[in-house]
Amino acid sequence: KAGVTQTPRYLIKTRGQQVTLSCSPISGHRSVSWYQQTPGQGLQFLFEYFSETQRNKGNFPGRFSGRQFSNSRSEMNVSTLELGDSALYLCASSLAVSSLGSGDTQYFGPGTRLTVL
Amino acid sequence: ELKVEQNPLFLSMQEGKNYTIYCNYSTTSDRLYWYRQDPGKSLESLFVLLSNGAVKQEGRLMASLDTKARLSTLHITAAVHDLSATYFCAAIQGAQKLVFGQGTRLTINP
Repeated sequence: KAGVTQTPRYLIKTRGQQVTLSCSPISGHRSVSWYQQTPGQGLQFLFEYFSETQRNKGNFPGRFSGRQFSNSRSEMNVSTLELGDSALYLCASSLAVSSLGSGDTQYFGPGTRLTVL
Repeated sequence: ELKVEQNPLFLSMQEGKNYTIYCNYSTTSDRLYWYRQDPGKSLESLFVLLSNGAVKQEGRLMASLDTKARLSTLHITAAVHDLSATYFCAAIQGAQKLVFGQGTRLTINP
């Protein structure tokens, strides 16, 4: 069974540009979550989508947005990039049969490393 | 707001020794996760703990959960070099929102 895939794996952008990252979950998984990892702030939750609906959102500015398609694939977009947006962006998928699942594990993709110059 | 704290943040140990990483969380959480991350890599799921007193073991790693104390531990037995990595615990808040600890960077020396 294929794991979570993310594209692209590496990205270099300049300040003010925008970027779109893509995530394909494990087949059959309906929930996709996004996290940002930086040396200073650690791992922080961005948002979670389930059946094309955003169910939860972290404390990030509106420049960070996302969406989920009917096939559960998800994209996140960052507009007006800032230097501080340089990070590893991780996508995770889970079955999420219910919001209080019985041991519903999130499986992480390899990440997209974004560098903003 | 849920907060998760790990200690120690850095741990250097010799092969063959035992040690424990501690994970405290501030409010009730339905489940507790442990992940491993190698340098430059993604997160690998190790354990998910669902209830008070839960204990899970895989090889030289054993995780436990005390929901009353809001404490989880990851115990390493007879460490080997291959276990060198950064270990994260995470508690869950709401629908699928993981709140991570700072991570414990474990280095095992021959």
